[in-house]
Amino acid sequence: EPEVTQTPSHQVTQMGQEVILRCVPISNHLYFYWYRQILGQKVEFLVSFYNNEISEKSEIFDDQFSVERPDGSNFTLKIRSTKLEDSAMYFCASSGGMNTEAFFGQGTRLTVV
Amino acid sequence: GESVGLHLPTLSVQEGDNSIINCAYSNSASDYFIWYKQESGKGPQFIIDIRSNMDKRQGQRVTVLLNKTVKHLSLQIAATQPGDSAVYFCAETHGNNRLAFGKGNQVVVIP
Repeated sequence: EPEVTQTPSHQVTQMGQEVILRCVPISNHLYFYWYRQILGQKVEFLVSFYNNEISEKSEIFDDQFSVERPDGSNFTLKIRSTKLEDSAMYFCASSGGMNTEAFFGQGTRLTVV
Repeated sequence: GESVGLHLPTLSVQEGDNSIINCAYSNSASDYFIWYKQESGKGPQFIIDIRSNMDKRQGQRVTVLLNKTVKHLSLQIAATQPGDSAVYFCAETHGNNRLAFGKGNQVVVIP
């Protein structure tokens, strides 16, 4: 069964450092997303990406965040200068079309110290 | 924004019984709804979806009911099994692919 894969599973970084979270979406999907979940809270939308550009972003997705699809398979989330409050699980997701099932990866746990 | 903190509404159910999980949504323009299951340390896993032109949809052991009048969504799990223990989130979207997740409900299945 096709799945979304994320690496690393856990990343510890010092405050102020840059991190890149990596995702390989399902191969024939066209829409890609990043969500985050702070411990014990609900899943929050960060950004959606389609046709090589951001289609929508939330108020959380400020100038410290960026996304990229550097090749035909990877989809990355970069946080330029991490803050303590960026500590969360970050989930990548992909879907084949508009308003269709989004498949989520297992997540990357980001811990900023 | 809303935050559930560390205390989720919890439904304790005996193995073999049916479970009903409820969700209220706020956006009357939402036209697509999904239930996700999240086990500890894992990503959300799709269970079932429903579009706004329907009021009921059935899957394997699960049924989703949509009441647009009162903006309410429910998930029914038949013959609940220990593997059903998880947090269940409803999610909605309207005309785009941005999912808005609900607060989550913890289901604990008692063997």
